[in-house]
Amino acid sequence: AQSVSQHNHHVILSEAASLELGCNYSYGGTVNLFWYVQYPGQHLQLLLKYFSGDPLVKGIKGFEAEFIKSKFSFNLRKPSVQWSDTAEYFCAVSPPVFSGGYNKLIFGAGTRLAVHP
Amino acid sequence: NAGVTQTPKFQVLKTGQSMTLQCAQDMNHEYMSWYRQDPGMGLRLIHYSVGAGITDQGEVPNGYNVSRSTTEDFPLRLLSAAPSQTSVYFCASRSRQGVSGNTIYFGEGSWLTVV
Repeated sequence: AQSVSQHNHHVILSEAASLELGCNYSYGGTVNLFWYVQYPGQHLQLLLKYFSGDPLVKGIKGFEAEFIKSKFSFNLRKPSVQWSDTAEYFCAVSPPVFSGGYNKLIFGAGTRLAVHP
Repeated sequence: NAGVTQTPKFQVLKTGQSMTLQCAQDMNHEYMSWYRQDPGMGLRLIHYSVGAGITDQGEVPNGYNVSRSTTEDFPLRLLSAAPSQTSVYFCASRSRQGVSGNTIYFGEGSWLTVV
């Protein structure tokens, strides 16, 4: 089945450590890619998105992600995490038009990040 | 501008009861959708709509009904609640105008417990 996979369910880091969260998808064709963050007790917020162009996407709060088409990946990175980055992170994919396109947003299972001071 | 508004925020149901989760948006968005969020499973698409009068099934539609009689409202109905429907439900909307750059707006969530 076509899907979105996030490799790590739980990540624990110390402040100032670098972060990389993996995301792979299995859809062929043109997809749109997103990373969302959910802080404790809050709803989803968009971190960044990729539609076309430069595969290195800059988002809010110092996050960035790189789209590697040949690897079907869209990994999220941050050079130096802060305690306030503690949250759950979701990768999401809009499948190609022939699979429902942007009308569907398929999420990965999420990665819980805990940052210790 | 309220964005996407969901009600109720919290609800406890008994097995077999019915209820409707309300979702309204004031941004004149054509596209609306419902997701459920469960631990370790991320958000899964239940139903979505591309405009008034048009709905379609997502990944996990069983046990849920939707309708879209107006652009603004997209209610989610549970006809006979089951404990497996205990979850957090999110409504989302976006504009149809163009794809690139469009943002999906999420409601604040509805916590549903079925006992």
